[in-house]
Amino acid sequence: SSELTQDPAVSVALGQTVRITCQGDSLRNYYATWYQQKPRQAPLLVIYAQDNRPSGIPDRFSGSSSGNTASLTITGAQAEDEADYYCNSRDSSGSRVVFGGGTKLTVL
Amino acid sequence: QLQLQESGPGLVKPSETLSLTCTVSGGSISSSSYYWGWIRQPPGKGLEWIGSIYYSGSTFYNPSLKSRVTIFGDTSKNQFSLKLSSVTAADTAVYYCARGAYNLANFDYWGQGTLVTVSS
Repeated sequence: SSELTQDPAVSVALGQTVRITCQGDSLRNYYATWYQQKPRQAPLLVIYAQDNRPSGIPDRFSGSSSGNTASLTITGAQAEDEADYYCNSRDSSGSRVVFGGGTKLTVL
Repeated sequence: QLQLQESGPGLVKPSETLSLTCTVSGGSISSSSYYWGWIRQPPGKGLEWIGSIYYSGSTFYNPSLKSRVTIFGDTSKNQFSLKLSSVTAADTAVYYCARGAYNLANFDYWGQGTLVTVSS
């Protein structure tokens, strides 16, 4: 079982704001990283070091963290944001990587 | 622009060893502070980290796979490779190689992935 827990599915109306969460004890010590994966594509890094966006990622994507929970927020969700979203982090030992189970985002 | 490309057999027999290579272009696997990792995704399921190799050669493995996994680099070819022994049908997955930037878990560049099926 994954040491990072995500809701399996979330939906959002077009143009509205959605928050996707990731829970795990290791997040008290290590930042979460977030990936977007569309069908038949490799994952794409969208947030790293908790709240940093790589070049080319729209600013409607943001990250935050509190305690053992990291969040990915999409402000003004677009149809093209419909995808699976995964969080990951180091585990509590710091020497291995764990992924959350993924959240399927549907944009209505 | 950094690019990663997986290569290797798409079909492996049960009990045999899965071998994949990731060829890196546009950057060096010897570059300081980068990790080079393997991640897999069974059909219809989530991502699973297999392991990573640091630019210095240190390796990190998923404990659940550690007894069967070896990751090694070839700086002369700018490649890193994965060997997974004693495979079963449960090892059927899309295998991705990726770069970890300054952090074991920050995978910023990914290969396109390659499907490996374990079947007789």
